[in-house]
Amino acid sequence: SQTIHQWPATLVQPVGSPLSLECTVEGTSNPNLYWYRQAAGRGLQLLFYSVGIGQISSEVPQNLSASRPQDRQFILSSKKLLLSDSGFYLCAWRPKQSYTIYFGEGSWLTVV
Amino acid sequence: QQQVKQSPQSLIVQKGGISIINCAYENTAFDYFPWYQQFPGKGPALLIAIRPDVSEKKEGRFTISFNKSAKQFSLHIMDSQPGDSATYFCAASMGNTGFQKLVFGTGTRLLVSP
Repeated sequence: SQTIHQWPATLVQPVGSPLSLECTVEGTSNPNLYWYRQAAGRGLQLLFYSVGIGQISSEVPQNLSASRPQDRQFILSSKKLLLSDSGFYLCAWRPKQSYTIYFGEGSWLTVV
Repeated sequence: QQQVKQSPQSLIVQKGGISIINCAYENTAFDYFPWYQQFPGKGPALLIAIRPDVSEKKEGRFTISFNKSAKQFSLHIMDSQPGDSATYFCAASMGNTGFQKLVFGTGTRLLVSP
């Protein structure tokens, strides 16, 4: 069966520090991958998506970047965090021939 | 045109009652309408989904009603239970090949009182 792992689950980072959130999907190949952000009490905002290795599309201009170095690995990064980067970050994946998008457990980021 | 409008923002229902959450969309190219359930501190989980070729889909206590002409769809939770207390998101997307992007509503926080 397919599973998605996302880590770390929680982190507190100072303003100006770097960020790396990682996500891997098991039990499938060539999935579509997504990074969403959810501000406290708000909806889900799509940040990045990827249809294949090295193929990244950004939905909104921001302080973040994404990379897909392997087929089932998706990384969200920042060189210098801002206070406004705080939020709940969700990795998600979708099999190519399915409508359904599956979410990971999320990573809570607090920038202080 | 890419927005999905969801209401109400919050909802309190007595145990055993019916919870109803509504969503509306503009883009007629949307062809997939899922509902996600999210518990605090967890990622959203797919609850139920519908395609526009049917007007209703039922899975257990959860029903999606879809009105294509009005561009509206709703989630009905029958016999609501305290364990249903969560945030519910409607969403819409188009295209199941290649890239597919889900557009989410802003969420409804449901509280089912015992």
